[in-house]
Amino acid sequence: GAVVSQHPSRVICKSGTSVKIECRSLDFQATTMFWYRQFPKKSLMLMATSNEGSKATYEQGVEKDKFLINHASLTLSTLTVTSAHPEDSSFYICSGLAGGYNEQFFGPGTRLTVL
Amino acid sequence: EDKVVQSPLSLVVHEGDTVTLNCSYEVTNFRSLLWYKQEKKAPTFLFMLTSSGIEKKSGRLSSILDKKELFSILNITATQTGDSAVYLCAVNSNSGYALNFGKGTSLLVTP
Repeated sequence: GAVVSQHPSRVICKSGTSVKIECRSLDFQATTMFWYRQFPKKSLMLMATSNEGSKATYEQGVEKDKFLINHASLTLSTLTVTSAHPEDSSFYICSGLAGGYNEQFFGPGTRLTVL
Repeated sequence: EDKVVQSPLSLVVHEGDTVTLNCSYEVTNFRSLLWYKQEKKAPTFLFMLTSSGIEKKSGRLSSILDKKELFSILNITATQTGDSAVYLCAVNSNSGYALNFGKGTSLLVTP
């Protein structure tokens, strides 16, 4: 099956700093990547949809200036949490959609803790 | 607004029991319903259902979709402690490929 990696798997940062999370599709080209956020004991909530070479589409309530998404190639999307605060602490998961398939392949997730 | 509701929210069973997890949905322009298993990390794919009445099976797990009544069930027979996880149901519509997840059912299988 298709493999998606995320880096880092875990990050702890101070309040006010920015954190970049990478999402890579290792053995397929992901025309579309999705970013989800999961708070403890909650389900995954879609944050944004990212299409290669174009601006991301953000879900209602997700600040695009705070969560910067870049999808510069068919195998890499990045999410930058700018000026992170403790309430941004969460599990961030990306997924890639292989062209022509209606199936998303999830990355292993990144656990962000903001002190 | 699209909605995915899973029940029960949590369940404790003994090894060897059979469990049925439910997922009902309301979505405009339904395309598919997916089941995932989530342990400590990201969800792992179990099934994707697009047609009514066709059972999908993988070992002790099976799932079926009813597009008329707008629900799906996930069955696990002869449960094992390794089946303990959160089971997520997600729905995809024709408006895009993003998934709308339910809150999940937390299953605990005790020895």
